[in-house]
Amino acid sequence: EPEVTQTPSHQVTQMGQEVILRCVPISNHLYFYWYRQILGQKVEFLVSFYNNEISEKSEIFDDQFSVERPDGSNFTLKIRSTKLEDSAMYFCASSALGALSPDTQYFGPGTRLTVL
Amino acid sequence: RKEVEQDPGPFNVPEGATVAFNCTYSNSASQSFFWYRQDCRKEPKLLMSVYSSGNEDGRFTAQLNRASQYISLLIRDSKLSDSATYLCVVNGRGGGKLIFGQGTELSVKP
Repeated sequence: EPEVTQTPSHQVTQMGQEVILRCVPISNHLYFYWYRQILGQKVEFLVSFYNNEISEKSEIFDDQFSVERPDGSNFTLKIRSTKLEDSAMYFCASSALGALSPDTQYFGPGTRLTVL
Repeated sequence: RKEVEQDPGPFNVPEGATVAFNCTYSNSASQSFFWYRQDCRKEPKLLMSVYSSGNEDGRFTAQLNRASQYISLLIRDSKLSDSATYLCVVNGRGGGKLIFGQGTELSVKP
């Protein structure tokens, strides 16, 4: 069964450093998302991406965040200068239809980001 | 008011019990409704979509009441493997983003 993959599974970084989280969505999917989950809290939407541009972003997704689809398979989330409060599990998701109809989003296993 | 609100839990039930989870959502324009399951420190996995007519998948039954903006999930004959956090999820205003509830933890004991 096709699945979303993410690397690395765990990233430890120093405050102020840049990190890039990588995702490979399901191959025939067109809509890509990033969510985060701070320990003990709910899953929160960060950004959605379609046709090589951001379609929607949340208040969390400020200028420190960026997304890119550098090639036909990878989808990345960059945090330019990490803060302690960026420590969380980051989930990538993809779907075939996006907002066009009720659609299932498939989640990757997540990257646990720890900012020291 | 929270966008998606769930019973706080945790629910501790014996094997074989029937358990019900409730959820309310604030955006009346929401079009898609789901129950996801999340095991400890793992990714959310779709359990079932929820339709206006109600739908059933084996031991799981989901109901939607649009007028009350209320979603429910019923699990019959609970198994140990049902132990997880159950997430009520709706699509966000105007698009594909998902809005998650806080989740309700279920622990099924022998």
